[in-house]
Formats: sequence, C-alpha cells, structure tokens
Amino acid sequence: GQSLEQPSEVTAVEGAIVQINCTYQTSGFYGLSWYQQHDGGAPTFLSYNALDGLEETGRFSSFLSRSDSYGYLLLQELQMKDSASYFCAVMDTGRRALTFGSGTRLQVQP
Amino acid sequence: NAGVTQTPKFQVLKTGQSMTLQCAQDMNHNSMYWYRQDPGMGLRLIYYSASEGTTDKGEVPNGYNVSRLNKREFSLRLESAAPSQTSVYFCASSVQGLNTEAFFGQGTRLTVV
Repeated sequence: GQSLEQPSEVTAVEGAIVQINCTYQTSGFYGLSWYQQHDGGAPTFLSYNALDGLEETGRFSSFLSRSDSYGYLLLQELQMKDSASYFCAVMDTGRRALTFGSGTRLQVQP
Repeated sequence: NAGVTQTPKFQVLKTGQSMTLQCAQDMNHNSMYWYRQDPGMGLRLIYYSASEGTTDKGEVPNGYNVSRLNKREFSLRLESAAPSQTSVYFCASSVQGLNTEAFFGQGTRLTVV
C-alpha cells in the first residue's frame, strides 16, 4: 500500500513564499501529483513530477526526490485566492488509481 | 464543456435506505473513480474502473457497489445506507495510463441520519 504525509496546516502572508512538504511510502508509483481544493469545491490538478527535480508552472513549482521519498509544492507571490487545501497524490503502479495525502490547509493572511 | 457531472449535489437518507449516485464524463476518458472525503481527511478511493467493463475495489469499498454502464457513466450505489457513510463523494476521470491528471465532478454531499 501507500501512505503520504503532509502538514495539516500552514499559514503565510500575502506576497510571501510557502513550501508544502509531502513524504511518502509506496511500493511503486509513477510520479507525484499535486491538487488544490477550495472550500466547498472539487480538487483541481496543479502539477505532476514523473522524474526527480523541479517543475515550474507560473507561481507554482513542484519538486520530487525519489531517493528521499519526498516532494514539495512551492507557492510564490502568495495571493489571498491561494487559501485552499493542497493534496499530494501518487499513482500506484499496481492499482492504477490515485492515492491522496490527507491535505495541507493553507491560510494566506493580509 | 461539462467535464465530469455528478448528480445529485445534495442528498439526505435515512439509515437503511438505498440510493445511486450518478456520474458522467464527456472527455472520452477510459478511467473513472469514486472517492469519499471526510472532514480533515484526504480523498479515499472507494472503487475505480480502469476501462469500460472493468471495476476494482479501492481502499474503502465496503457498503458500496459500482457499475460502469458505458464509457461515459460510472455509478455508485449504497444498498443500505449507514451514518458512517455520511461524506462528500467525488467522481473523477482520467486518460488511462501514466497521465495522472484527474478531473473531478463537483461532489455529492450525502448525509445519512
């Protein structure tokens, strides 16, 4: 099986940079994904790392280190609208379905 | 440009009642999934269907059944609802294979009293 661990809450101020970490245990997976979910809404895809290293998409970047079983999501130039929950997820090689972490609630303050 | 559509959006059931949650996608995706989300927890996989005609159990399948009616539709049935099944249910779909971008419906908020 798989397990993914994330901090439950993170608080930061508008304009700052925040990093949300994800450590995982899995027997085999294709890559690490990140999803955003606003209160009352559906999860939406942010990024995917198939290989080690950094992937950048605008203000968001995601990093994966398979040797350390670790990844993170980096949000720059934080805006109020970034207040949401962020989930890391892995696609299991056996099950071929996404397994999600329990999520990190990001609160951006003025 | 509907994407993934779930019905109903809200539902209240009495313990022991049955109901079916409907899900349809118009993106020609092969894989479809049902997740439940409880407060403070991530999404837990109930069942999934890697392709039309196949279904498999996820992490929390007990108390649920599914039907992959055709490529577009994947329904979730609660035969005898229990208060422990009070949750928000999300249907999702994705292109089969290593592409892990899943598209989610807006969710069904189910309360079992």
